[in-house]
Amino acid sequence: QVQLQQSGAELMKPGASVKISCKATGYTFSSYWIEWVKQRPGHGLEWIGEILPGSGSTNYNEKFKGKATFTADTSSNTAYMQLSSLTSEDSAVYYCARRHYGYSFAYWGQGTLVTVSA
Amino acid sequence: QIVLTQSPAIMSASPGEKVTMTCSASSSVSYMHWYQQKSGTSPKRWIYDTSKLASGVPARFSGSGSGTSYSLTISSMEAEDAATYYCQQWSSNPPTFGSGTKLEIK
Repeated sequence: QVQLQQSGAELMKPGASVKISCKATGYTFSSYWIEWVKQRPGHGLEWIGEILPGSGSTNYNEKFKGKATFTADTSSNTAYMQLSSLTSEDSAVYYCARRHYGYSFAYWGQGTLVTVSA
Repeated sequence: QIVLTQSPAIMSASPGEKVTMTCSASSSVSYMHWYQQKSGTSPKRWIYDTSKLASGVPARFSGSGSGTSYSLTISSMEAEDAATYYCQQWSSNPPTFGSGTKLEIK
């Protein structure tokens, strides 16, 4: 079965960068887009963007261009999202997800909490 | 980008009561998807392509709508249905989510 396992919680200083991982199992990793979604209390869910691991093609929400960078390692079936120049506005839970035919997010990782604090 | 407005923001229902929540889009969308999220857990796809129930979702749930107006209905509320429900569209980029309807049990 499809599973997405994310890395653990991170406590970061303002101005630092953080790299979150999402390990996929149960399907052909290279063939499906991996989506990244941000959730902050009071701000709902926001789509950050996506990566197709087999080609490395990416699409970013304009809002997150320059903030997020996606990479993928097909040898380990792991996708990564790096967030740079962290501020308190980046404190959130970040999810990786995968679509399943169509444009809904069928599978979700458990989420990674990023806390930015001096 | 398309803005999705969910109403009500918070609601409560008694066991057995019929529940309806709505999602209004700022522009017409082809399909609407719904997610259920309980505290401390990831969202779960609940209804997709407007009216298709995700695997394991009870038949008391249904989805409907078209254009700019969509709804999720529970025919008979059960305690396990208490959660926050989000709508989502990807008819145009970027995909967007509503701000959620928090459903509580009375």
